[in-house]
Amino acid sequence: NAGVTQTPKFQVLKTGQSMTLQCAQDMNHEYMSWYRQDPGMGLRLIHYSVGAGITDQGEVPNGYNVSRSTTEDFPLRLLSAAPSQTSVYFCASTPSMNTEAFFGQGTRLTVV
Amino acid sequence: GENVEQHPSTLSVQEGDSAVIKCTYSDSASNYFPWYKQELGKRPQLIIDIRSNVGEKKDQRIAVTLNKTAKHFSLHITETQPEDSAVYFCAADMNTGFQKLVFGTGTRLLVSP
Repeated sequence: NAGVTQTPKFQVLKTGQSMTLQCAQDMNHEYMSWYRQDPGMGLRLIHYSVGAGITDQGEVPNGYNVSRSTTEDFPLRLLSAAPSQTSVYFCASTPSMNTEAFFGQGTRLTVV
Repeated sequence: GENVEQHPSTLSVQEGDSAVIKCTYSDSASNYFPWYKQELGKRPQLIIDIRSNVGEKKDQRIAVTLNKTAKHFSLHITETQPEDSAVYFCAADMNTGFQKLVFGTGTRLLVSP
């Protein structure tokens, strides 16, 4: 099992550009989520999904879109990148409630 | 919504000492409290978790205690080793019917040989 795989690992965007961060898991987990990690602020939930076709907003959803067409994939779209979106992004998957969240290796995004 | 506070932000100990990290949460409905370890440049990884029907849980040198009345939980690491050096995050699940974790701001633990 590869676990949770994120691509790319690093990305530099110009303000106003759009892009998609990819996340895939091969553990057949129902729950998937996206977090951003900023210095001194821990991890904050952006969007999450409880199964294919079902998504909802987390703490900091503005400027991001998600969709879940399959159990395996949960891409995160930045619609119009802003410097405030410079961060490290982690995707995670969880088999069920109150169990371990497995994180991807992260994507370090810089918006200039 | 849930709010999780974590202290201290940095903790320096000598090898072999014990380390304690404390977290408080605001929502009494929260019922799941994991702890994650993150080494520099790596992904967070679960080291231990506790559910609200349990007061304490141990796994070798690591233990977590939960006080539901006071709404706080703590991570205890005994006989610390240099490889314990990392950032540790506590979290609380918002108990909304979906897995929604709210994380503390992290504690940087440095274990000196």
